[in-house]
Amino acid sequence: AQTVTQSQPEMSVQEAETVTLSCTYDTSESDYYLFWYKQPPSRQMILVIRQEAYKQQNATENRFSVNFQKAAKSFSLKISDSQLGDAAMYFCAPSVQGAQKLVFGQGTRLTINP
Amino acid sequence: GAVVSQHPSWVICKSGTSVKIECRSLDFQATTMFWYRQFPKQSLMLMATSNEGSKATYEQGVEKDKFLINHASLTLSTLTVTSAHPEDSSFYICSARRPTGRPEAFFGQGTRLTVV
Repeated sequence: AQTVTQSQPEMSVQEAETVTLSCTYDTSESDYYLFWYKQPPSRQMILVIRQEAYKQQNATENRFSVNFQKAAKSFSLKISDSQLGDAAMYFCAPSVQGAQKLVFGQGTRLTINP
Repeated sequence: GAVVSQHPSWVICKSGTSVKIECRSLDFQATTMFWYRQFPKQSLMLMATSNEGSKATYEQGVEKDKFLINHASLTLSTLTVTSAHPEDSSFYICSARRPTGRPEAFFGQGTRLTVV
């Protein structure tokens, strides 16, 4: 069974600074996707970024990028130039190809200080 | 715009009654949908996989008779909480994935259930 660990229950950063959220996971699969979702106070789950495990290149979406270390089973999220709207719960979630299931980490609550 | 719609957004029901939550995929057909439960300040816990035209697959520890899932069409899955009790109060979220193309899951807005 897959396990996902987000070791930072809470993080805080000043507006415009950079913050990195960590995630480690355990899987026996060789082909899978990894996702970061954010959940703002509205509680709507929003996709932040995804990474295909077979790709060596780290995914980037505007201010969001990942550091994917497949051998170490590590998938951290870096948020550059933090904005107040980035404040949310962030969940790391691997998905096994074909199974479509997502296993969520415990989440990291990110606070942005103005 | 939203591609997965969940209704209602919130519901209050009396203890012992049943409540139905709907999850619709708006612009694609979903043979599989997923139902999650989220307690305050906690993560999402997968309850069951809803399979169109067949029985749902429940995760270990989830009561099948308490949480009835019906996936009667390719765009609609329903979760019925039967004989609800205060401990069933929670936030319930559904998700679905497009059958082809983008691999990410799309989530409904969630339903806050309060049993009084």
